[in-house]
Amino acid sequence: ELKVEQNPLFLSMQEGKNYTIYCDYSTTSDRLYWYRQDPGKSLESLFVLLSNGAVKQEGRLMASLDTKARLSTLHITAAVHDLSATYFCAVPFETSGSRLTFGEGTQLTVNP
Amino acid sequence: NAGVTQTPKFQVLKTGQSMTLQCAQDMNHEYMSWYRQDPGMGLRLIHYSVGAGITDQGEVPNGYNVSRSTTEDFPLRLLSAAPSQTSVYFCASSYNPSGPGELFFGEGSRLTVL
Repeated sequence: ELKVEQNPLFLSMQEGKNYTIYCDYSTTSDRLYWYRQDPGKSLESLFVLLSNGAVKQEGRLMASLDTKARLSTLHITAAVHDLSATYFCAVPFETSGSRLTFGEGTQLTVNP
Repeated sequence: NAGVTQTPKFQVLKTGQSMTLQCAQDMNHEYMSWYRQDPGMGLRLIHYSVGAGITDQGEVPNGYNVSRSTTEDFPLRLLSAAPSQTSVYFCASSYNPSGPGELFFGEGSRLTVL
């Protein structure tokens, strides 16, 4: 059974600080996805990581994938309040395909 | 662009009632799926379809039925609603079931079963 675990599940941080969210998974996969969800809203795709060593950056967020360690990180640089949301990582059930298993989500609150 | 459209957005049912959550996409996506989201449990896959006429069970299929008669539509049926089915339901699609697999989500349907 594929397990996807995120930590921390809850993160409260101050504006301007840096932090990293971790996502580890239990099976072989060369792909991983990060999504953002605002309260009461749908999920928005942030990053699609398609190979070992993949690194993608968008604004203050940077995601990386280490398929050997079965680990992905989402690094937040100089957090701002607008980044407050829940972040999910997801891994395919199989080596290819769209069936995704999601982590529990990390609820991020950025305080002024 | 409409993308993935779900209806209704909110619904309250009594135990034992049946209903259908509608999902339609206008992106010509082959793959469609239904997830439920519950607090502290992330999203769990209910059913999915890799093309018209093909459906399969996901992680939590019990109590739900699906069909895929067209590429565009993928309705989710609750045959006899139970309080345990109180949840937020998301429909999601992607272009190629075997491809990179980035999912596009609908706005969600919030269901309460009393």
